[in-house]
Amino acid sequence: DARVTQTPRHKVTEMGQEVTMRCQPILGHNTVFWYRQTMMQGLELLAYFRNRAPLDDSGMPKDRFSAEMPDATLATLKIQPSEPRDSAVYFCASGFSLDTITGELFFGEGSRLTVL
Amino acid sequence: QQQVKQSPQSLIVQKGGISIINCAYENTAFDYFPWYQQFPGKGPALLIAIRPDVSEKKEGRFTISFNKSAKQFSLHIMDSQPGDSATYFCAASIRSNFGNEKLTFGTGTRLTIIP
Repeated sequence: DARVTQTPRHKVTEMGQEVTMRCQPILGHNTVFWYRQTMMQGLELLAYFRNRAPLDDSGMPKDRFSAEMPDATLATLKIQPSEPRDSAVYFCASGFSLDTITGELFFGEGSRLTVL
Repeated sequence: QQQVKQSPQSLIVQKGGISIINCAYENTAFDYFPWYQQFPGKGPALLIAIRPDVSEKKEGRFTISFNKSAKQFSLHIMDSQPGDSATYFCAASIRSNFGNEKLTFGTGTRLTIIP
């Protein structure tokens, strides 16, 4: 049963601390996306990779957020230092860029971050 | 700049009724319009999608209606059931030569089906 795996599922931290969220995309997928979900903004794209290369991180606050794909099986999203306004659910999604039929993105179950 | 506007924010429909959610987009280069369904505590999952070369697509009780000239598309859920209670997101992307390039999502509609 192929699925996108995200860790941690829940994280509570104090303002100023570093937070790292991890994502294991579905094997064989070559695109990875990080989205942030809040009640006010819905789903915001933070960053996306194709074949491990970052293509767009324009939605990400550059001073505190960073996203990387050290290898094809791992994507990371790091916040340093964290702030209360970063509290949200962060989703990782993966897909296959040459899937011109469905173009489906597969989402993980999310990492719920609370910054106190 | 919000490129995909979704309404309503929340919707309550009686069981057996028709649920309708609307979206409007601005970028005429968008050429792929999916709807995602999200249950509490889960990630969104693809429900149904349409390309702009057709005006309607139906899958079971779910139908997308697409109006290219008005830059609008909508999701209709026929015979709505309590199990349809979820948050629905419309989205749009530019497929170009690749499959799932980045999706721009609407803000979501929380649908509640009451008995």
